[in-house]
Amino acid sequence: EVRLVESGGALVQPGGSLRLSCEASGFTFSSYEMNWVRQAPGKGLEWVSYMSSSGSPRYYADSVKGRFTISRDNAKNSLYLQMNSLRAEDTAVYYCAREDQRGSLDAFDIWGQGTMVTVSS
Amino acid sequence: QPVLTQPTSLSASPGASARLTCTLRSGINLDSCRIFWYQQKPESPPRYLLSYYSDSSNHQGSGVPSRFSGSKDASSNAGILVISGLQSEDEADYYCMIWHSGASNWVFGGGTKLTVL
Repeated sequence: EVRLVESGGALVQPGGSLRLSCEASGFTFSSYEMNWVRQAPGKGLEWVSYMSSSGSPRYYADSVKGRFTISRDNAKNSLYLQMNSLRAEDTAVYYCAREDQRGSLDAFDIWGQGTMVTVSS
Repeated sequence: QPVLTQPTSLSASPGASARLTCTLRSGINLDSCRIFWYQQKPESPPRYLLSYYSDSSNHQGSGVPSRFSGSKDASSNAGILVISGLQSEDEADYYCMIWHSGASNWVFGGGTKLTVL
């Protein structure tokens, strides 16, 4: 079964840091581009970051540029999001999503269940 | 002005068709964009439905019924998702997405809440 499982979400104070993980299974993780997408409570989807299968390039939304870092460990079938200088507006469910450049022409075809990040004092 | 604009809500009757629009900001060339559509139900992650670039270049997500289809409307610079034969299970939020090459960003529309009643 093709699957993505996020973890690492927590309650953190403003200015704090958090590292999210996304573990992939059921497919050749190293062959796929990956993304992080977030959704604030009651709001729409917001793309956060992209990373190619090889590790470069990486792209970020302006709202997180300079504060968040995406990375991956293909040997561990895992994607990460290091989040620093967290703000209240970063509060959201964070999803990792597989980007299929070949089969579905860049669609985010597989999504995890999400992990909740709450930034509050 | 947002890159992608979607109506906040839309209502339609069971068995009817629903036409959801995704309007690109002026200056963004619809012809060069592949429009992706996602469905999200409460307490669930988004689900990929389909993408549309042209009649000869479109893709249906795995297991997505053919009553979901995509198109473009050049006159309004918009991507279109049509759901025919509406069923109660189609009640959900629908999001469009494009690759905004000028910013090297993926962009989502604000989403449309579809009510089937």
